[in-house]
Amino acid sequence: SQQGEEDPQALSIQEGENATMNCSYKTSINNLQWYRQNSGRGLVHLILIRSNEREKHSGRLRVTLDTSKKSSSLLITASRAADTASYFCATDAAGAQKLVFGQGTRLTINP
Amino acid sequence: DGGITQSPKYLFRKEGQNVTLSCEQNLNHDAMYWYRQDPGQGLRLIYYSQIVNDFQKGDIAEGYSVSREKKESFPLTVTSAQKNPTAFYLCASSITANTEAFFGQGTRLTVV
Repeated sequence: SQQGEEDPQALSIQEGENATMNCSYKTSINNLQWYRQNSGRGLVHLILIRSNEREKHSGRLRVTLDTSKKSSSLLITASRAADTASYFCATDAAGAQKLVFGQGTRLTINP
Repeated sequence: DGGITQSPKYLFRKEGQNVTLSCEQNLNHDAMYWYRQDPGQGLRLIYYSQIVNDFQKGDIAEGYSVSREKKESFPLTVTSAQKNPTAFYLCASSITANTEAFFGQGTRLTVV
């Protein structure tokens, strides 16, 4: 069973616009992570937000976490063509000691 | 260089054959994971291990087996019992489940 579900499944925007992706999860967590995957490659870690944090920034990335709604969002500002990739959220399902991923959002940045 | 290495990059399996995918890390991580990814889909957890000589089934363990005899190595065997093994397989490691995971570049398995 998937712990996280991303929304939308696919997103296409123009270069320079902001991209927002959402993630919902089912059980309590210790933290939530976002990863990026270029086609046919392994995943790369972007950012980790702990359950007691509400917002975190890293460069052009902004992540929010609402534990009452069991949801998170990833905002990429001033998008670039190189941001084209799939983005996944992952949770550690508190107590389960395993990392579970959602279905991902396929982001396309049009030049 | 520290990292996690999967081999081979491409693997072809005949019907009824067992094949083993290699995953090695030199990051001194305790936790290791195997995921399966089908085209356009997310990652599904096959097996995971938090410590040497111990591992647990994930969501889709049927038809797969693993071992964790060394901290650095977590090989995955795709057995003949796995009826639809064609997929992209990803191995990852982390200090614990609560920390950043590092991924290998994946093995693409095809049944011929």
